[in-house]
Amino acid sequence: EADIYQTPRYLVIGTGKKITLECSQTMGHDKMYWYQQDPGMELHLIHYSYGVNSTEKGDLSSESTVSRIRTEHFPLTLESARPSHTSQYLCASSERTGQFFGPGTRLTVL
Amino acid sequence: QKEVEQDPGPLSVPEGAIVSLNCTYSNSAFQYFMWYRQYSRKGPELLMYTYSSGNKEDGRFTAQVDKSSKYISLFIRDSQPSDSATYLCAMRGGTNAGKSTFGDGTTLTVKP
Repeated sequence: EADIYQTPRYLVIGTGKKITLECSQTMGHDKMYWYQQDPGMELHLIHYSYGVNSTEKGDLSSESTVSRIRTEHFPLTLESARPSHTSQYLCASSERTGQFFGPGTRLTVL
Repeated sequence: QKEVEQDPGPLSVPEGAIVSLNCTYSNSAFQYFMWYRQYSRKGPELLMYTYSSGNKEDGRFTAQVDKSSKYISLFIRDSQPSDSATYLCAMRGGTNAGKSTFGDGTTLTVKP
């Protein structure tokens, strides 16, 4: 059973605010990922990590940043939120098989 | 051109029908093939994971990989309204394992 958690599930915030989206997994997976997905649209990989202190940018350019100080924790930060950041953000982790996704954070920037 | 092309859909079938969902790819380095199911406003859920060519069956679901044709399929037998979702194919190579390339998804509706 995959255990990957994201908080908050929903966030409405004003332009210019700094936000951090939390992602934690209890499976001990080394590999973790952040995706951005608009409703009804494809997944876009924005960041990934293959282990502690390892982070890489994904296929879609993003103004967000990530950190990986602990295996189980992979937070994503937006220093100054803008309406263009409104989207669903999905965190995932994997080991040898496919990826296990969290429930997502639906972000709305006003 | 995208590395992974998925039949766009949407697809609407009556309950009990056999559903075929398909993806083609261009990167011959892909060795691991996955299918995910995503319900509206939820994260994708891993359905099937296969390595290299062949078939894999799990209940009403069968994943088929033909590496010579660079073509993968997911078959759903006796489809149910609860199967209504978006289905995503994904694949990755053998090295640098983890990072996958996803299709855009096919939305399936099974009508009672």
